[in-house]
Amino acid sequence: SAVISQKPSRDICQRGTSLTIQCQVDSQVTMMFWYRQQPGQSLTLIATANQGSEATYESGFVIDKFPISRPNLTFSTLTVSNMSPEDSSIYLCSVEKQTLAKNIQYFGAGTRLSVL
Amino acid sequence: QQQVKQSPQSLIVQKGGISIINCAYENTAFDYFPWYQQFPGKGPALLIAIRPDVSEKKEGRFTISFNKSAKQFSLHIMDSQPGDSATYFCAASISLGRGSTLGRLYFGRGTQLTVWP
Repeated sequence: SAVISQKPSRDICQRGTSLTIQCQVDSQVTMMFWYRQQPGQSLTLIATANQGSEATYESGFVIDKFPISRPNLTFSTLTVSNMSPEDSSIYLCSVEKQTLAKNIQYFGAGTRLSVL
Repeated sequence: QQQVKQSPQSLIVQKGGISIINCAYENTAFDYFPWYQQFPGKGPALLIAIRPDVSEKKEGRFTISFNKSAKQFSLHIMDSQPGDSATYFCAASISLGRGSTLGRLYFGRGTQLTVWP
């Protein structure tokens, strides 16, 4: 399995500021993903972050708004820039690991962000 | 558009009853169909998954039924317990085959299950 630690677990931020969310995994993984989950809604993929390459963003998400770093195989950060109340959401880090010839995607507990 | 459609949005079941959640998809390239369980304040956790080469997979009280021709799959929770109360998400992805990367997951909107004691 994979143990994923996300920091912070929650934050309340002012409009126009930025927040960086950290994701630490207990083992090396190639593929990491960042999702957004709005209250009572599904999970929407923001971007895929593979070590050694630029993050790949999904339609509707841009690097200027959600810059991602992936400095090594156990760590990634997602920054939510120039925040507005519409960015209030839960942000989830996910990793894919191969276990007993099966690939599984694991999720962190998420960062609950409220923007005032 | 929503790649995976899930219903119902909410479900209330008596303890000991059967909970059934349904999902449908359009993209025939999907070849991996997991179900995730999420408790409040926690991230989703993989519950059970199926590939389209089988029509049913059972793990304990949880069963996935898969209908390839109808492009539908469902989760059945037998003998539902209050501890099963959570939000359940179906998902689908296009992988490169067993043992290969799963790729991005497309999630349904979720079903909030409440099991009354």
